[in-house]
Amino acid sequence: AQSVTQLDSQVPVFEEAPVELRCNYSSSVSVYLFWYVQYPNQGLQLLLKYLSGSTLVKGINGFEAEFNKSQTSFHLRKPSVHISDTAEYFCAVIASGGSYIPTFGRGTSLIVHP
Amino acid sequence: DTGVSQDPRHKITKRGQNVTFRCDPISEHNRLYWYRQTLGQGPEFLTYFQNEAQLEKSRLLSDRFSAERPKGSFSTLEIQRTEQGDSAMYLCASGRLAASTDTQYFGPGTRLTVL
Repeated sequence: AQSVTQLDSQVPVFEEAPVELRCNYSSSVSVYLFWYVQYPNQGLQLLLKYLSGSTLVKGINGFEAEFNKSQTSFHLRKPSVHISDTAEYFCAVIASGGSYIPTFGRGTSLIVHP
Repeated sequence: DTGVSQDPRHKITKRGQNVTFRCDPISEHNRLYWYRQTLGQGPEFLTYFQNEAQLEKSRLLSDRFSAERPKGSFSTLEIQRTEQGDSAMYLCASGRLAASTDTQYFGPGTRLTVL
């Protein structure tokens, strides 16, 4: 079975500063990796995904993530955050060859201060 | 594309009552998923449908929970004899059959409070 660990439950940052949200996974097979964002009182929205190919993945709203197989990580980064990026961010993993049901991490709350 | 909709958005009920939630997926999507999300946690998989067939159920889905997707369109999730531990956000998502790792589109969720 696969698992996801989001190391930080909360990340406070000032507006226009860079940010990194950490995600590590565990799986005995190859994986597909996803980052979702959840704004208050809304459903989850896909930011980006890694299926294969280039390990650097670019997503919406200026976010990017890098798949590192040796470190089993998929950290999310943004060079300059905005107040509007304040939200909950979830990392998810799908193990290949199964039923393609994602396992989500516990989430990281990104709080952007003016 | 009107997105995934869920009804109601909020439900408050007393312990022991039955509740039913509805999910309307994006029309051309064949797969429909139900998740439960509690405070401070990520979504946890409950069950999913491919067209009208319920293909997988999580161990989280006790006998008090039942889901249906008649005619492969909308889906309902019923909880019988609700317990306080059932209080959570219930999320529905839909996706295409053609690409199993394709994006799941989530609805806004139904927040259940059991008193």
